[in-house]
Amino acid sequence: DTEVTQTPKHLVMGMTNKKSLKCEQHMGHRAMYWYKQKAKKPPELMFVYSYEKLSINESVPSRFSPECPNSSLLNLHLHALQPEDSALYLCASSQLDRGNTEAFFGQGTRLTVV
Amino acid sequence: TQLLEQSPQFLSIQEGENLTVYCNSSSVFSSLQWYRQEPGEGPVLLVTVVTGGEVKKLKRLTFQFGDARKDSSLHITAAQPGDTGLYLCAGASLSGGFKTIFGAGTRLFVKA
Repeated sequence: DTEVTQTPKHLVMGMTNKKSLKCEQHMGHRAMYWYKQKAKKPPELMFVYSYEKLSINESVPSRFSPECPNSSLLNLHLHALQPEDSALYLCASSQLDRGNTEAFFGQGTRLTVV
Repeated sequence: TQLLEQSPQFLSIQEGENLTVYCNSSSVFSSLQWYRQEPGEGPVLLVTVVTGGEVKKLKRLTFQFGDARKDSSLHITAAQPGDTGLYLCAGASLSGGFKTIFGAGTRLFVKA
């Protein structure tokens, strides 16, 4: 099973709403990631969790709040977003092996902020 | 700053033609990955190259990792319309920990 599952697939939210994106993997991977991808651009790293601890925050605004409840789950809590935050949000996971950092991606959540 | 420079950024070819996409960096990578992404979907892993000089084949796709582990190439033989998509190289440099970065991507369009 090389599947990373993200929910929801699509989300429309107002600028005053609070919502959460969810990600799940059962590959035993101990690194999990959030990426943001705008149209016609490559994915940009937002957060990295290693062994359920936040190890990298790429200077992401505090309106994005990640959470890793256990080794299989990763959430991204959203609050007071701006229209420019509309994008495809991708979750990924990988083994914690410096020799091979291949990541498996979910299908993404298409987020629209109105 | 670790950068992955990918070229060309856009390629439009006829069915049956061959093509090569390049991914270059000044940093050394422990491994490099190639992904293919369809619009609105997540990237799908095609291959990982780990050893300098390594060549891997996946049907009509041939992937090469440079001897110095700073560059990689993807060669497609006899391209088909089904090969159309965004091809991304990605990797985490030896000094970057688990911070995987992506090249800008190559948008390939194969005309029937």
